[in-house]
Amino acid sequence: QQQVKQSPQSLIVQKGGISIINCAYENTAFDYFPWYQQFPGKGPALLIAIRPDVSEKKEGRFTISFNKSAKQFSLHIMDSQPGDSATYFCAASLARDDKIIFGKGTRLHILP
Amino acid sequence: DTAVSQTPKYLVTQMGNDKSIKCEQNLGHDTMYWYKQDSKKFLKIMFSYNNKELIINETVPNRFSPKSPDKAHLNLHINSLELGDSAVYFCASSQGTGLSYEQYFGPGTRLTVT
Repeated sequence: QQQVKQSPQSLIVQKGGISIINCAYENTAFDYFPWYQQFPGKGPALLIAIRPDVSEKKEGRFTISFNKSAKQFSLHIMDSQPGDSATYFCAASLARDDKIIFGKGTRLHILP
Repeated sequence: DTAVSQTPKYLVTQMGNDKSIKCEQNLGHDTMYWYKQDSKKFLKIMFSYNNKELIINETVPNRFSPKSPDKAHLNLHINSLELGDSAVYFCASSQGTGLSYEQYFGPGTRLTVT
């Protein structure tokens, strides 16, 4: 059973455009929703994270939008740059479990 | 200075062999993890240790045995390697249990079983 569903699988965006990646989760007990960024040959790195008590979190060009009733959250990358080209993973977890459930990843390519 | 390091970076071996992957973190963290990333990039937790004590043990075959000699090291030993074990294995660490602590990932070890 896939607890975190991520889409699209791959995404191509023009430089300067907005990249949007969507995720949906099933377990309403999840209380932490991080996004990880992974470059080829590297390990994932935390990009931004949100808790369900807020509907939006912004850090620079990266914004998480969170819809608790719909059990959905999304990552928006504004003014996308070629350096943003990477694989992005949404994730969800229960703090008490200390276990992150990852989505299947979105391979993002920003055209120069 | 590398925060979480793994050795080797690449490992090619034959079916049936036993191999180990080493992980070290110099962040002073209490918790360490092993993740497996398959060919489709799917990332899944295998184990976590907190202060050398096993906290999470997902449904991983018992051919996989983590060993934590001290809280800065978490090694992964794999017995009787199978073709399906081919993947990239990531070590990670965090300050403590609980997800308010960011997990820092190592660069990964690409294991290929032939």
